Amino acid sequence: GNSVTQMEGPVTLSEEAFLTINCTYTATGYPSLFWYVQYPGEGLQLLLKATKADDKGSNKGFEATYRKETTSFHLEKGSVQVSDSAVYFCALSDRTDSWGKLQFGSGTQVVVTP
Amino acid sequence: EPEVTQTPSHQVTQMGQEVILRCVPISNHLYFYWYRQILGQKVEFLVSFYNNEISEKSEIFDDQFSVERPDGSNFTLKIRSTKLEDSAMYFCASSSGGSRRVFHEQYFGPGTRLTVT
Repeated sequence: GNSVTQMEGPVTLSEEAFLTINCTYTATGYPSLFWYVQYPGEGLQLLLKATKADDKGSNKGFEATYRKETTSFHLEKGSVQVSDSAVYFCALSDRTDSWGKLQFGSGTQVVVTP
Repeated sequence: EPEVTQTPSHQVTQMGQEVILRCVPISNHLYFYWYRQILGQKVEFLVSFYNNEISEKSEIFDDQFSVERPDGSNFTLKIRSTKLEDSAMYFCASSSGGSRRVFHEQYFGPGTRLTVT
């Protein structure tokens, strides 16, 4: 079956540091890949997405590239801010066998200190 | 900006009791979802709902669970007889579409924390 694996947290960084959160997936079909972010006390928000191999999703300074050869979708940001402190979830949706359901990784907490 | 809301934010119940978790999806959305996250574990899909019927459900969604859209605005998840292992954060989501061909962003509510004692 399909699954998503992402690095465990918490990840603690200083402001302006470089952030990478690793995400790998297994899928039998043709998945779309997503990063969701959850700020304290709020719901999950879509951060970025990529729907096919070699697509790059980007938003708010975050980027992730859909790498089919390594089955990865790592999230990166060049210079983090305190406001980026949140839990980040990698997810996939396999269009060949579902009606839009999302399958999530376990989430990575990111803590950015001033 | 439209948002998905959920009530209550925290529900405490005794084992064996029935609970109803409520969600108000975004008003023009047609597809509705429930997910849950047991503490320290992954967010798991429970069920999707379209056109007043379940379109897909997971193995978790057994006979103890049911969903309903009782009126034009609410979307509810009912657990008939709660177990200790039902303790989790339950997230509702909605989207404007849910086809197999095109991705439609799912908008999530803030969640209801269910504690079964």
